[in-house]
Amino acid sequence: AQSVTQLGSHVSVSEGALVLLRCNYSSSVPPYLFWYVQYPNQGLQLLLKYTSAATLVKGINGFEAEFKKSETSFHLTKPSAHMSDAAEYFCAVSEPTGQNFVFGPGTRLSVLP
Amino acid sequence: DAGITQSPRHKVTETGTPVTLRCHQTENHRYMYWYRQDPGHGLRLIHYSYGVKDTDKGEVSDGYSVSRSKTEDFLLTLESATSSQTSVYFCAIKPGTSGYEQYFGPGTRLTVT
Repeated sequence: AQSVTQLGSHVSVSEGALVLLRCNYSSSVPPYLFWYVQYPNQGLQLLLKYTSAATLVKGINGFEAEFKKSETSFHLTKPSAHMSDAAEYFCAVSEPTGQNFVFGPGTRLSVLP
Repeated sequence: DAGITQSPRHKVTETGTPVTLRCHQTENHRYMYWYRQDPGHGLRLIHYSYGVKDTDKGEVSDGYSVSRSKTEDFLLTLESATSSQTSVYFCAIKPGTSGYEQYFGPGTRLTVT
């Protein structure tokens, strides 16, 4: 069975500081991994995805994530936070077939001026 | 924009009444999903469909039923709404091309009083 944990339900950073949102997964098969962002009162938007190609994945809005099999992690980073990055971020895992798409509980990112 | 609309966007209903939520897509995708979003739980799968009249249960299907009589429409029905079904409901599609990511509609906020 697939599962996802996200360390920290709420993370605060200063504008211009590094953003690091943590995601660890459990999967019995090689996983596909995803990060989504949700702005207030909106649906989820795909930020980036890992599908067994390059382990360092670049996404939209300057975000990137690195797949580390030995650590079962897929942490999301951005070198310099903007106020517009304030949102909720969800990590998700699926089997390579697309079955069993499971979301983590989410991390709310606040960006302080 | 994955061409997904949900209706209604907001609904308040009383305990015990039936409620139907509609998801409409314009791009003939085979796979469609219904999730509910609750604080601390991320998104949890209610039901999904892999074609017209082909549906299956997800993690939290009790109290919900679905129907898909046309490719473009996926309906979620709460036969007798309860306060525990107060939530935000999201519809998603999976394009079925490489990557297996899902794309989400704008959501329906349902309040059961």
